[in-house]
Amino acid sequence: GEDVEQSLFLSVREGDSSVINCTYTDSSSTYLYWYKQEPGAGLQLLTYIFSNMDMKQDQRLTVLLNKKDKHLSLRIADTQTGDSAIYFCAEGVPGGYQKVTFGTGTKLQVIP
Amino acid sequence: EPEVTQTPSHQVTQMGQEVILRCVPISNHLYFYWYRQILGQKVEFLVSFYNNEISEKSEIFDDQFSVERPDGSNFTLKIRSTKLEDSAMYFCASSDRGEAFFGQGTRLTVV
Repeated sequence: GEDVEQSLFLSVREGDSSVINCTYTDSSSTYLYWYKQEPGAGLQLLTYIFSNMDMKQDQRLTVLLNKKDKHLSLRIADTQTGDSAIYFCAEGVPGGYQKVTFGTGTKLQVIP
Repeated sequence: EPEVTQTPSHQVTQMGQEVILRCVPISNHLYFYWYRQILGQKVEFLVSFYNNEISEKSEIFDDQFSVERPDGSNFTLKIRSTKLEDSAMYFCASSDRGEAFFGQGTRLTVV
């Protein structure tokens, strides 16, 4: 079955870049997502990438996909204290509907 | 921008009571989902719904749970007799043939 793994915690200094890594198992995934969850809040879709892409850039966010290794990363440039949150990697399987399998989440702590 | 809306944002209920969590998916979407997140844990798939029937459900989605699309806009999750371990954040999502969009969640607290 599908499985998505992430490291649990990342601490960076304000202004530095953050890189959050994720590995997934389902090679048939079509969408790979990054969600942000602030304390007590819902899931905010940050960005997603199609599985036929290698990279996607969206302002301070860069997503890199290595399909061969089933490795996905999210780079946040110039990390701000407002970026402190839990970041979930998720994969969506192909087909008419998008059942999403979430990773364990990486808690990003930004130190001022 | 279209969004999935969920009500209420927070629900407190006594153990053994029935609760209904409500969702309004994005209007032209055809597929609907419920997920839950127990505090401090990962988001888990509960059920997907298409064409007025369940298309897939997880082992969490036992006989205590049911889903319904009572009219053209709402999608509900009912928990028949709540248990303490049902306390969690419940997320509704919808999709067409593209990416899934999630609501802000309903925090259910069973006391």
